[in-house]
Amino acid sequence: EIVLTQSPGTLSLSPGERATLSCRASQSVSSRYLAWYQQKPGQAPRLLIYGASSRATGIPDRFSGSGSETDFTLTISRLEPEDFAVYYCQQYGGSPQTFGQGTKVEIK
Amino acid sequence: EVQLVESGGGLVQPGGSLRLSCAASGFTFDDYAMHWVRQAPGKGLEWVSGISWNSGSMGFADSVKGRFTISRDNAKNSLHLQMDSLRAEDTALYYCAKDGVYGSGSQGYYFDYWGQGTLITVSS
Repeated sequence: EIVLTQSPGTLSLSPGERATLSCRASQSVSSRYLAWYQQKPGQAPRLLIYGASSRATGIPDRFSGSGSETDFTLTISRLEPEDFAVYYCQQYGGSPQTFGQGTKVEIK
Repeated sequence: EVQLVESGGGLVQPGGSLRLSCAASGFTFDDYAMHWVRQAPGKGLEWVSGISWNSGSMGFADSVKGRFTISRDNAKNSLHLQMDSLRAEDTALYYCAKDGVYGSGSQGYYFDYWGQGTLITVSS
């Protein structure tokens, strides 16, 4: 099973700042099969990025994904108030698919 | 508009059973694999089970293998999860999720739509 480790656990930033979230895999993720989700309190997760760098439908372009093999990054170029949430990465290149433990982006 | 609505959650004693359902609308249900993903209180996400578009393949997390069964009824646009021999560690919010790739298998890809979840509490 591929283990995903997200860092940092919590990111304290101000609106307008840039957020950089990391997701590291215990082994190479084939075909860049890596997705990112946003989850707000009391809500279901929302797909942001799939295929490591493709934005899902309706996702603003301030969200971008990059990386390959074992190192992936989600970048939020300028944080909006609605972006403060928990973010999860997911790999679907190995069986079973697995999620990281999450990074909380909180208001500083 | 894609909608996924889960039902069937509740309080059950250890060793008991529950059947979850998910009613889907707004997309061609039998074109996509469907999944169950759970989230224990205050914890992260865990894929539980998936079923291919035609029920030809099914997959389960090791933590539920042999205890949970997944099924779908394409005529009724519904997904089900039969949960037997429930344990305290199965306590979680269970989400129904649509696979993001047309014609995918039970292992699935990413999840582009999620329901709001149904809560299962296993406790005596």
